Amino acid sequence: DAGITQSPRYKITETGRQVTLMCHQTWSHSYMFWYRQDLGHGLRLIYYSAAADITDKGEVPDGYVVSRSKTENFPLTLESATRSQTSVYFCAGNPSGGPEGQYFGPGTRLTVT
Amino acid sequence: KQEVTQIPAALSVPEGENLVLNCSFTDSAIYNLQWFRQDPGKGLTSLLLIQSSQREQTSGRLNASLDKSSGRSTLYIAASQPGDSATYLCAVIQGAQKLVFGQGTRLTINP
Repeated sequence: DAGITQSPRYKITETGRQVTLMCHQTWSHSYMFWYRQDLGHGLRLIYYSAAADITDKGEVPDGYVVSRSKTENFPLTLESATRSQTSVYFCAGNPSGGPEGQYFGPGTRLTVT
Repeated sequence: KQEVTQIPAALSVPEGENLVLNCSFTDSAIYNLQWFRQDPGKGLTSLLLIQSSQREQTSGRLNASLDKSSGRSTLYIAASQPGDSATYLCAVIQGAQKLVFGQGTRLTINP
């Protein structure tokens, strides 16, 4: 148990709609991350956060927004969903930003029609 | 830009064999390297983490090595079992604890 939960686990939405994926952690992870996993591209970093109210872009941030008003929550919002955002999204945490490495949530499978 | 490559992309071996999975990276300025396992439709499970100052880590039948100067890591699995079938991912850890992943090796162990 990595102490990271994601909701919903599955989501189908239409092009142009706003959708928010939730990530909640109970281990006091200081660093948190959002990745997407796609065939042919592997896992790519979307956004990350070093602490509450501190966020930064990863490799593929366009079309996404994050916030971290509380340490335990790190929601990812797709402002206007596109079909290219159909993917599996993983939230991850690093307990202290130290050498423990990252722990991953179970993922959210998002389909944009 | 860091690039991580895993070879082979897929591997099928009979049960009981020892095997090696390879991971290479282009920029040796890494903090650590982490190996993960992913079962179909599931999340990632951390297997081993090697700090940049270490050369190897062991956990049960798994042994991971790291050679920063050559940009290589290997994951050795001893006495493979059908339950080891999964996709194995390596990732290098860079600044701000960001991970850069390889595309994975899909491993099948045949009974």
